[in-house]
Amino acid sequence: RKEVEQDPGPFNVPEGATVAFNCTYSNSASQSFFWYRQDCRKEPKLLMSVYSSGNEDGRFTAQLNRASQYISLLIRDSKLSDSATYLCVVNKDSWGKLQFGAGTQVVVTP
Amino acid sequence: NAGVTQTPKFQVLKTGQSMTLQCAQDMNHNSMYWYRQDPGMGLRLIYYSASEGTTDKGEVPNGYNVSRLNKREFSLRLESAAPSQTSVYFCASSINTEAFFGQGTRLTVV
Repeated sequence: RKEVEQDPGPFNVPEGATVAFNCTYSNSASQSFFWYRQDCRKEPKLLMSVYSSGNEDGRFTAQLNRASQYISLLIRDSKLSDSATYLCVVNKDSWGKLQFGAGTQVVVTP
Repeated sequence: NAGVTQTPKFQVLKTGQSMTLQCAQDMNHNSMYWYRQDPGMGLRLIYYSASEGTTDKGEVPNGYNVSRLNKREFSLRLESAAPSQTSVYFCASSINTEAFFGQGTRLTVV
């Protein structure tokens, strides 16, 4: 089993709609969780951290469920510019050795 | 703001040739990483360096060597390139577990 698993998609989303997807992780001792965004053939960039209480950044909401070992990302009022691959990232240990999922592709259509 | 700088951006090698991928960061980060990204596989950690003078193997270290020359620089060497090493390579550095990536090196081994 992979340490971090994501549905590869693509999630085809009409502009203005809401899309949500999850990421599961296998190591129950994982400490930190993040969503990164990667545009085609570009480097990944931090989208947002995921806190235990859940957090929101504009149209983006991230949730953490430690009991079931998954994190989620919800995008409201999708924009064409939200089309990208979203990478789930988990901090495996105290040295900050980040473990990446394979990514979920989101395609927002007009 | 240079951030993380990788060179070269593109490279074609013949099987058996050697080369070194260079990476430098100007953010005074302790941790540095080398990842490879293949279609459908996400980012896989090759080597990790928690600080100057220390390196640890990641998920896929075979066929690679690294050198943490100083706090700024972390190089990745392919001693005898193989077609299986055709990939996109990303260098990253981090502080407080947020990672910043270079623009990537697209390597093709023929």
